[in-house]
Amino acid sequence: GENVEQHPSTLSVQEGDSAVIKCTYSDSASNYFPWYKQELGKRPQLIIDIRSNVGEKKDQRIAVTLNKTAKHFSLHITETQPEDSAVYFCAASSGYNFNKFYFGSGTKLNVKP
Amino acid sequence: NAGVTQTPKFRVLKTGQSMTLLCAQDMNHEYMYWYRQDPGMGLRLIHYSVGEGTTAKGEVPDGYNVSRLKKQNFLLGLESAAPSQTSVYFCATNQGYNSPLHFGNGTRLTVT
Repeated sequence: GENVEQHPSTLSVQEGDSAVIKCTYSDSASNYFPWYKQELGKRPQLIIDIRSNVGEKKDQRIAVTLNKTAKHFSLHITETQPEDSAVYFCAASSGYNFNKFYFGSGTKLNVKP
Repeated sequence: NAGVTQTPKFRVLKTGQSMTLLCAQDMNHEYMYWYRQDPGMGLRLIHYSVGEGTTAKGEVPDGYNVSRLKKQNFLLGLESAAPSQTSVYFCATNQGYNSPLHFGNGTRLTVT
């Protein structure tokens, strides 16, 4: 099955700096890559996603890049704010498996004011 | 429009007891999933369903059973709880091919 690795496990940045979280996947058939944000004690919520026919997608301060050849994708947050502090999860999904999503182990982002 | 609703929110069980977690959705989604979340391990798929009356095993199905008798409900059962099943359980749904998951608020289960 798919194996998704996520780095780093913790990330601390100063408010206003950029944050980058990286994920690699193993199954070349994976073609959908969502990112979720989970605040303490709450549900994971989708923040951005990318499909395999696109190399980059942006939504205001958040962007995701995908390199299918190298099988890795990254989340970029610019101008970080304290409310960006949360755990972020990447995931990979293949249509072969009825949308079985394989999640990374998460990155705890701490934005210091 | 409640989205995805899980009950209960918290539960404490003794080893060997049984319980059922309920997931209800009003989004008319075909696909439903049960995940468990443990520290440092992300979300792992327990069981899933691609439609009413169907269920299938995920990555970590042992010790759990599921049923989907109605499209809007997906039940997760623990027949004989073990301390290793202490976790936070999330139900999720999605519309179909490569569409994002919508999660419920989670159930925190402790087995002593």
